[in-house]
Amino acid sequence: RKEVEQDPGPFNVPEGATVAFNCTYSNSASQSFFWYRQDCRKEPKLLMSVYSSGNEDGRFTAQLNRASQYISLLIRDSKLSDSATYLCGAVDSSYKLIFGSGTRLLVRP
Amino acid sequence: DTAVSQTPKYLVTQMGNDKSIKCEQNLGHDTMYWYKQDSKKFLKIMFSYNNKELIINETVPNRFSPKSPDKAHLNLHINSLELGDSAVYFCASSQDEAGSNYGYTFGSGTRLTVV
Repeated sequence: RKEVEQDPGPFNVPEGATVAFNCTYSNSASQSFFWYRQDCRKEPKLLMSVYSSGNEDGRFTAQLNRASQYISLLIRDSKLSDSATYLCGAVDSSYKLIFGSGTRLLVRP
Repeated sequence: DTAVSQTPKYLVTQMGNDKSIKCEQNLGHDTMYWYKQDSKKFLKIMFSYNNKELIINETVPNRFSPKSPDKAHLNLHINSLELGDSAVYFCASSQDEAGSNYGYTFGSGTRLTVV
């Protein structure tokens, strides 16, 4: 079983839609969690850290459920520019940031 | 100013050659990493250094040797390159080992093609 798992998608949604991605992690000792965005042929860029209490940044909301060991990302009012691959990451007890395989999002006009 | 810069951006080389990729960060971070992203886009950690000390060494062939001359630099040397080494190699840095609340900052990547 992979340490961090995501649905690879692609999620194909119209502009303005709300879309949610889930990610599960297997190491219960994982301590920090992140969502990254990666555009084609570019480096991953930090979208947001994920806190236990949940956190929001504009149209983006991240949630962490430690009991069920999953992380979610909600994107409201999708824009064309949101099209990218979204990587979920968890830092395990050995201080390794482990990524999922990424979820591809396509926002169409 | 680029926060994490790596060179070269592209590297095309023949099997059996030895090559190096360089990485520098100007963020004052203590920890630096090498990640490999293969053709299936899976991003996997290879090594990490904290203040010049190796702290993570994943199951990577010993043809790969990282070197950190100081905490702002982490280079990757690869001996006897093989076709399967073709990938994008990303350097990254973080404030501390856990990534705290700020995560890791990645360089723009080195696209290595072995022919």
